[in-house]
Amino acid sequence: QVQLVESGGGVVQPGRSLRLSCAASGFTFSDYGMHWVRQAPGKGLEWVAAIWFDGGTKYYADSVRGRFTISRDNSNNMLYLEMNSLRADDTAVFYCGRGGYSSSWYVAHWGQGTVVTVSS
Amino acid sequence: QSALTQPPSVSGSPGQSVTISCTGTSSDVDMYNRVSWYQQPPGTAPKVIIYEVRNRPSGVPDRFSGSRSGRTASLTIFGLQAEDEADYYCSSYTRSNTLIFGGGTKLTVL
Repeated sequence: QVQLVESGGGVVQPGRSLRLSCAASGFTFSDYGMHWVRQAPGKGLEWVAAIWFDGGTKYYADSVRGRFTISRDNSNNMLYLEMNSLRADDTAVFYCGRGGYSSSWYVAHWGQGTVVTVSS
Repeated sequence: QSALTQPPSVSGSPGQSVTISCTGTSSDVDMYNRVSWYQQPPGTAPKVIIYEVRNRPSGVPDRFSGSRSGRTASLTIFGLQAEDEADYYCSSYTRSNTLIFGGGTKLTVL
């Protein structure tokens, strides 16, 4: 079955960087688009970024464009989110998600999330 | 871009039906057949229950139904059950090549 396991979260100071990883299994990773979605404490869902099946197309939310970079390694079934210039309002649970197909705009499967706390 | 508009809360008794609305704009909900709905019980990750306006993934009961009229998408849950109590979020693809979510609706089963 589809499994997505996020890692790399933690406590980081404002202005610093962090790299999240998502290990995928149970499906042909290179066939599917992937997403990052976050949820601040007690708040709703916020889409962060998407990358299509071959890594050639990437999209970002306005709130993270220029600071975050989504990437993937299809050889090792891994998804990444490089986060720079972190701010307090980036504090959230970050979920890795698999799309419904190669370039879909919905999240068909979700990981359990990794917590990022930005605080001095 | 602003979030899609959902009611903060809805409620119903077991066996009843409830509908959750999701209002967007002509640049998202009304423009594309890419509206999805997610169910998130407390303390868990979200789960897709409707995609592309009205399609149900395998394993989702047919008590869950999606529709759209103009700028407003709707999720209807027929025959409410206790386990349906959760937060529900809609989302839509936008003309700006982004995905936006609604603010979420808390469903209480009385």
